[in-house]
Amino acid sequence: KAGVTQTPRYLIKTRGQQVTLSCSPISGHRSVSWYQQTPGQGLQFLFEYFSETQRNKGNFPGRFSGRQFSNSRSEMNVSTLELGDSALYLCASSLSPGQGIYEQYFGPGTRLTVT
Amino acid sequence: DAKTTQPNSMESNEEEPVHLPCNHSTISGTDYIHWYRQLPSQGPEYVIHGLTSNVNNRMASLAIAEDRKSSTLILHRATLRDAAVYYCISYNTGGFKTIFGAGTRLFVKA
Repeated sequence: KAGVTQTPRYLIKTRGQQVTLSCSPISGHRSVSWYQQTPGQGLQFLFEYFSETQRNKGNFPGRFSGRQFSNSRSEMNVSTLELGDSALYLCASSLSPGQGIYEQYFGPGTRLTVT
Repeated sequence: DAKTTQPNSMESNEEEPVHLPCNHSTISGTDYIHWYRQLPSQGPEYVIHGLTSNVNNRMASLAIAEDRKSSTLILHRATLRDAAVYYCISYNTGGFKTIFGAGTRLFVKA
C-alpha cells in the first residue's frame, strides 16, 4: 500500500506570495491533518479534515487555510507569505476520526523556504 | 488539552534496552497515548499506542501506569537506527487535534 505523498517536496517563495501544498493520504484513510515544523516551535498542529469538513484548527492566523476533496486528498494554502512561514509542512492521514483510536501516518513533508 | 512531559534527551548503548518515560498527568480517562519517532530529515513515524493496557508490537512495547498519568516506551534492543526524536502524545478526546511536545532525543552509542 502506498504511503502518504506530499507535493512538492521543496519550494522557494518570496514574501507576499501565496503557496498551495498537496497531500494524498493512504488509500482508505479519510482523516488528514496538517502540521508545521520549525526548529524554534517544534511540531504544531494546523488543522484536521475528515469527510471534507474541517473539524479543528490550531492557533494559526487566517492566512493558513485548507480543504479536503471527496477523494480525501487535501490541500493547504498560505497567503501573503512571511519569512516566518519557512518550515517543514507535514501531512498525516488516519483511518477515521477516532480520538486517537487509530494511528497517524505521516508524509515526508514539504520544505517551504520564504525569501 | 492534555500535555505531555518528556526528558529532553537520553543516551543508550547499542543492543541494550531503552526506557523512554512520558508524564501525562492531565490525561482524561478516554484519551489514547501514542508514541511517534522522527528520524533526521524524515516525517514522524508511528511507533505504538494504547489506552490502558500494556501493548507490544514489532517495534516496541508500551507500559502504561495503572493511574495512566505516565507511560514508558520500551525499545528492547537499541540499534543505531533507533537514534531519533521520540514524541509521546496524549490525544484530547473529541478535540480532533494532536499536540506534540518537545520530544526526547535518543542518542545510541555503538
